[in-house]
Amino acid sequence: QQPVQSPQAVILREGEDAVINCSSSKALYSVHWYRQKHGEAPVFLMILLKGGEQKGHEKISASFNEKKQQSSLYLTASQLSYSGTYFCGTVPISGNTGKLIFGQGTTLQVKP
Amino acid sequence: EAGVAQSPRYKIIEKRQSVAFWCNPISGHATLYWYQQILGQGPKLLIQFQNNGVVDDSQLPKDRFSAERLKGVDSTLKIQPAKLEDSAVYLCASSSIAGPPADTQYFGPGTRLTVL
Repeated sequence: QQPVQSPQAVILREGEDAVINCSSSKALYSVHWYRQKHGEAPVFLMILLKGGEQKGHEKISASFNEKKQQSSLYLTASQLSYSGTYFCGTVPISGNTGKLIFGQGTTLQVKP
Repeated sequence: EAGVAQSPRYKIIEKRQSVAFWCNPISGHATLYWYQQILGQGPKLLIQFQNNGVVDDSQLPKDRFSAERLKGVDSTLKIQPAKLEDSAVYLCASSSIAGPPADTQYFGPGTRLTVL
């Protein structure tokens, strides 16, 4: 039931692009993306809803393929501040109480 | 706007001892969540409140964990007795009165629990 994220880790140079994927075996109502820096709380980045509504944050964008139950987070022209662990949280349609089921995380390191 | 507040930030206890965590959500947020985050993993929901009522506690180990949300505002999470495997960060989150399933959840800084 837990969504699967890929890759597990990414190392980038400043200015490079990255894509983080999130895949679920369940039909989804929404996908939420968070970034967590070491020792800090997860910070909300993005929510994608069934039906295509999208909200954004800074220079980060995302897509949601409802048929495949997959979401991708796109980080373009990465900055040092993008370093951290990215989590997707999924809200299944079935038995929906709104609770988020988080993936295992993708660690992103941006180097100068 | 003040964020989600949690205390204490750190706690070290011996196994079989009890411990309690406190959370104050963002003002006006009706929904409150407690998550457990083990090192290297994503947060796992323990319990979800809507105002005073419990919406989901299916993953709460009820033999040792308990939680309450009095008056629909602050919440406490208790572990009694603690086990070594309870070592984790306990995160509290809240979302607005519009409620789930599309609501943004805002997280507090968490309480890092170490059980020796």
